[in-house]
Amino acid sequence: AQSVAQPEDQVNVAEGNPLTVKCTYSVSGNPYLFWYVQYPNRGLQFLLKYITGDNLVKGSYGFEAEFNKSQTSFHLKKPSALVSDSALYFCAVMSGYSTLTFGKGTMLLVSP
Amino acid sequence: SQTIHQWPATLVQPVGSPLSLECTVEGTSNPNLYWYRQAAGRGLQLLFYSVGIGQISSEVPQNLSASRPQDRQFILSSKKLLLSDSGFYLCAWSGTSGASRDTQYFGPGTRLTVL
Repeated sequence: AQSVAQPEDQVNVAEGNPLTVKCTYSVSGNPYLFWYVQYPNRGLQFLLKYITGDNLVKGSYGFEAEFNKSQTSFHLKKPSALVSDSALYFCAVMSGYSTLTFGKGTMLLVSP
Repeated sequence: SQTIHQWPATLVQPVGSPLSLECTVEGTSNPNLYWYRQAAGRGLQLLFYSVGIGQISSEVPQNLSASRPQDRQFILSSKKLLLSDSGFYLCAWSGTSGASRDTQYFGPGTRLTVL
């Protein structure tokens, strides 16, 4: 069975500094990997996905993620954090019938 | 462009009452549709998914049910709510071809409180 781990409940970073939100996965076969962001009392917004191709995937709002097959990781990154990036971030892996298995989420707090 | 609607946005219901949450998608045909529940602001649990009218797959046994009476309409129901049904319910869709294939897009959600 597929699974996703987000080892950090919370990540704190100062505005202007680079940020990384970690994600590791376990899946049989080639992984389809996703990042979503959720603001309070809102639905999830799609940020980016890895299906195949370049290991560095660029997405919305300046976010990018690096797929590392040997480490089974798909960490989310941004070169310069904004206070408005503060939100809950979910990593997910796709399984059969296009269903998603989500990690438990990481709260990102960007301080001014 | 495609949009997804959910209503109501918030709902407070007594234990034992029925439930009906509705989700509709615009701007696409024959989408895959999903219902998730998010408890305590964190993990998402897939409840149901549908690949077509009348085709429902259940991921977790519970007192909830889902129906898809029309191509772009997905309904989550219960005959008798439990306290444990409280949570944030999210509907999502994905396409079956093109750029929207394999990517799920979420609605704004319904906050359900069972008292």
